[in-house]
Amino acid sequence: QLVLTQSPSASASLGASVKLTCTLSSGHSSYTIAWHQQQPEKGPRYLMMLNSDGSHIKGDGIPDRFSGSSSGAERYLTISSLQSEDEADYYCQTWGTDIRLFGGGTKLTVL
Amino acid sequence: EVQLVESGGGLVQPGGSLRLSCAASGFTFSSYSMNWVRQAPGKGLEWVSSISSASSYIYYADSVKGRFTISRDNAKNSLYLHINRLSAEDTAVYYCGREDSSGPQTYWGQGTLVTVSS
Repeated sequence: QLVLTQSPSASASLGASVKLTCTLSSGHSSYTIAWHQQQPEKGPRYLMMLNSDGSHIKGDGIPDRFSGSSSGAERYLTISSLQSEDEADYYCQTWGTDIRLFGGGTKLTVL
Repeated sequence: EVQLVESGGGLVQPGGSLRLSCAASGFTFSSYSMNWVRQAPGKGLEWVSSISSASSYIYYADSVKGRFTISRDNAKNSLYLHINRLSAEDTAVYYCGREDSSGPQTYWGQGTLVTVSS
């Protein structure tokens, strides 16, 4: 069964870097995912599509501070030079022929 | 500029029905698959349904199968979601989204709130 697992919360200091993780279920380690950001009281925003080889394509206007990487079944979102507006919920998404799926989300707190 | 504007949400009694709409602009609507995604208060994102560009393929989450119907009118650049037999568990903000040909949902609307309560 296709499942995406995310840690519920993460925190990092202003100006620092943070790496968020999305883990694909067993047997699905080759899947491509997408990362989305949802700032408080706002709708989600697409950040990037991330392949199993770590290559990624960012959405329009997404700053260079956001990058993606992969290792096995894990997909990462790294945010460098953290800013206050990066405090948000981050969701990973994947898809199959007849299903789309979101991870449970990670709430990022910028200290 | 891609724009997706949802409407049709509101307060509905349990057991009632509702039709949500999503007006699309800024792109060739008939060329893209579209999604509905919902978010219950304080909870994460939940995929609800997808429809291909020509309505040839339609998919639903198990949680809504049999009660929700997705449709589109390419002549009107509009996406719809008919919801029947509403229950409190359907209370959520409903977002429409455009799906890229490679798979991810790359554009989101601002959402419309559906509240099911007596």
